[in-house]
Amino acid sequence: SQELEQSPQSLIVQEGKNLTINCTSSKTLYGLYWYKQKYGEGLIFLMMLQKGGEEKSHEKITAKLDEKKQQSSLHITASQPSHAGIYLCGADRDSGYELNFGKGTSLLVTP
Amino acid sequence: KAGVTQTPRYLIKTRGQQVTLSCSPISGHRSVSWYQQTPGQGLQFLFEYFSETQRNKGNFPGRFSGRQFSNSRSEMNVSTLELGDSALYLCASSIGQASYNEQFFGPGTRLTVL
Repeated sequence: SQELEQSPQSLIVQEGKNLTINCTSSKTLYGLYWYKQKYGEGLIFLMMLQKGGEEKSHEKITAKLDEKKQQSSLHITASQPSHAGIYLCGADRDSGYELNFGKGTSLLVTP
Repeated sequence: KAGVTQTPRYLIKTRGQQVTLSCSPISGHRSVSWYQQTPGQGLQFLFEYFSETQRNKGNFPGRFSGRQFSNSRSEMNVSTLELGDSALYLCASSIGQASYNEQFFGPGTRLTVL
């Protein structure tokens, strides 16, 4: 089965700083999803990447899919306290009917 | 448009009991997936339903079951509860095939087994 490894596991950054979260797959990525979760709540969809080299941005969050490296990165520019939460990457499993998720990266933004 | 709703939001049960969780997808969505989230294992896939048919099931014991109704609402049932079943149960809906469409998640049901 496809394994997704996220790094770092946790991150504490000062407000205004940039940060990057990585998601590496043990298999070729056909579809990569980024979600954000507030502690103990549901997941909020951020972005979906499907093509190698694809890059998408929403407000101050940019995600890239490097298909050759079987890796995706999520970059936050000028972080704010509202960015705090758990970021999860998910990828299509072989069956095509489910998503396999990484363990998540916990982000805390300090004033 | 209303989002995915899950009921109840919180549930406390004791070992050996059974529990039923409910999920109402976004109007027009026909696919409903269920996930279990625990601190140790993270987010794990339980099963996915499309048009009342279970298309795939994760690696969970038979105590975990589910169904989907004609209006796309879904329920999952856990029988003979164990302490390890304590988790946040999330359901997600999508228009079509789950993995090729954006999945919208509900707020989850927090199950505590004592």
